[in-house]
Amino acid sequence: QSALTQPASVSGSPGQSITISCTGTSSDVGSYNLVSWYQQHPGKAPKLMIYEGSKRPSGVSNRFSGSKSGNTASLTISGLQAEDEADYYCCSFAGSSSYVFGTGTKVTVL
Amino acid sequence: QVQLVQSGAEVKKPGASVKVSCKASGYTFISYGISWVRQAPGQGLEWMGWISAYNGYTNYAQKLQGRVTMTTDTSTSTAYMELRSLRSDDTAVYYCAREGRYCSGGSCYSREYYFDYWGQGTRVTVSS
Repeated sequence: QSALTQPASVSGSPGQSITISCTGTSSDVGSYNLVSWYQQHPGKAPKLMIYEGSKRPSGVSNRFSGSKSGNTASLTISGLQAEDEADYYCCSFAGSSSYVFGTGTKVTVL
Repeated sequence: QVQLVQSGAEVKKPGASVKVSCKASGYTFISYGISWVRQAPGQGLEWMGWISAYNGYTNYAQKLQGRVTMTTDTSTSTAYMELRSLRSDDTAVYYCAREGRYCSGGSCYSREYYFDYWGQGTRVTVSS
């Protein structure tokens, strides 16, 4: 199972919106509406930000939103804030109790 | 509150084995599955495998088949991940993560395919 493809880096100024793409195949992203997104700050464990493509766990800011079209999922962060600077990973269910992560995207707040 | 507390850092020689533990608290252990995820230095997250804490069913990433074993001890609410024949490229931080589950009114139903709680990570260094 190959890693899902994400841009290595995305940047934006405070208050702007940015979108991170996550491209898989018809065997993972395209087959299931089961993409989740994780935020990871340096030296910390990942934190769930979006699940089932577009749902937010309790406590996650509504500035984070997710969507999917075909084999590509996307995470949008609106009203970018300094605290959003982190690495972001998508993850898709890939059938038979297996998962595949994305390559990761470093978000920089300018 | 839900917590996953992992064992401490390990240093191993190539060819050795390592066993990492993940002690769960704050929820009914057997109602949820656990995945193990690793992250090599400066690299991304890699899913290693999944175990059902209810019945011990496992599914391992193809690249680790034959070298990894995941188990649980329901009496202590602890999950374990053992990796054998260690190589230098196994040097990584290893995380356990709880898989989601739809629970309502004290009962749990369907699996939900995301990781809602993570352990703090265990650094494993493989070096001669």
